[in-house]
Amino acid sequence: QQQVKQSPQSLIVQKGGISIINCAYENTAFDYFPWYQQFPGKGPALLIAIRPDVSEKKEGRFTISFNKSAKQFSLHIMDSQPGDSATYFCAARFYQKVTFGIGTKLQVIP
Amino acid sequence: NAGVTQTPKFQVLKTGQSMTLQCAQDMNHNSMYWYRQDPGMGLRLIYYSASEGTTDKGEVPNGYNVSRLNKREFSLRLESAAPSQTSVYFCASSGQGGTEAFFGQGTRLTVV
Repeated sequence: QQQVKQSPQSLIVQKGGISIINCAYENTAFDYFPWYQQFPGKGPALLIAIRPDVSEKKEGRFTISFNKSAKQFSLHIMDSQPGDSATYFCAARFYQKVTFGIGTKLQVIP
Repeated sequence: NAGVTQTPKFQVLKTGQSMTLQCAQDMNHNSMYWYRQDPGMGLRLIYYSASEGTTDKGEVPNGYNVSRLNKREFSLRLESAAPSQTSVYFCASSGQGGTEAFFGQGTRLTVV
């Protein structure tokens, strides 16, 4: 049973466009929601994260929107660049355990 | 600063063989994790260790064992490898509060 559902699995966006990745969760005990970015051949690295008492967090071109009542959160990448091409994972933490979504492979084309 | 170091980077095993994946971190983190990554499945937690001397099962522990040798090192053992264990394995660590996990470069394991 997938505790964190992520969509889409793949996404193609033109340079300068907005990339949007969505995640949904069931367990209301999750207390921290990070997003990780992974380049080919590398391990995932933390990109941005949010706690459930905040509705939005922005860091540069990356924004997390969080809807606690709907149990959904999303990553928006503004002005997407070819260098943003990577796999993105949403995740949710309960105590020391972090559960990941299945990942979204983003390709930003010139 | 090395961060999280995994060895080996690549390995091919025959069905039934055993092996140990090694992981070491130099960030003085309490918590360490083993994940496997498969296409369309994301990252799935195999085992984790919240602190030295403790280990707990994750989502997919069957066929694996772990040892938290000391605060720095957390190893993953496959006693009798199966083709279903073909995957990319990642070790990760996190500090107090567990707000950021630092991942190693991964071990690509193929079981034939």
